Amino acid sequence: NAGVMQNPRHLVRRRGQEARLRCSPMKGHSHVYWYRQLPEEGLKFMVYLQKENIIDESGMPKERFSAEFPKEGPSILRIQQVVRGDSAAYFCASSPPTGMGNTIYFGEGSWLTVV
Amino acid sequence: TQLLEQSPQFLSIQEGENLTVYCNSSSVFSSLQWYRQEPGEGPVLLVTVVTGGEVKKLKRLTFQFGDARKDSSLHITAAQPGDTGLYLCAGESTSYGKLTFGQGTILTVHP
Repeated sequence: NAGVMQNPRHLVRRRGQEARLRCSPMKGHSHVYWYRQLPEEGLKFMVYLQKENIIDESGMPKERFSAEFPKEGPSILRIQQVVRGDSAAYFCASSPPTGMGNTIYFGEGSWLTVV
Repeated sequence: TQLLEQSPQFLSIQEGENLTVYCNSSSVFSSLQWYRQEPGEGPVLLVTVVTGGEVKKLKRLTFQFGDARKDSSLHITAAQPGDTGLYLCAGESTSYGKLTFGQGTILTVHP
């Protein structure tokens, strides 16, 4: 399966702990996006990254959230000191070098539950 | 802030009926995409429309992009129980994959 791979698929954290979500893009894709789907809400853009660069982080909460896409290895979405409101499905997507109308492909998501 | 209003939010119909889902915005999008999402899974792309007035057909599904590139519709003919799922529209206005999603339409097709 050469699709976008996310892990873990399900993660339970206690309030105050850290959550790390990983994403390996499709082969040949160098651009990664993170989206969040809160209960009863639609998908919301969080951040767009290229290798070693954050291009657009306009959808990231100002505090506790960070993302990286290192030269080697998967992209990481990190949530520090999680709160119950962080419970959501986090989707990673990837695309080849961009242009108008480019398709992005979504992974199957990581479901974070904060207890 | 760009918004995409999707309607209806819920749709429950009998097998064989036709249906249309609408996606409307006051903003212009360079492209518009339709996705289907199953419970516990990620969105799967159905189609991308790019040109104003464009119509694309995928078997029993017909997708249309408005002339002004502000709205779109998804029409399903002779719906089947296998069409049951969450349908999402998403607009792109950047040169990269930053999508604005509608709230989604939960479709249930009863046998």
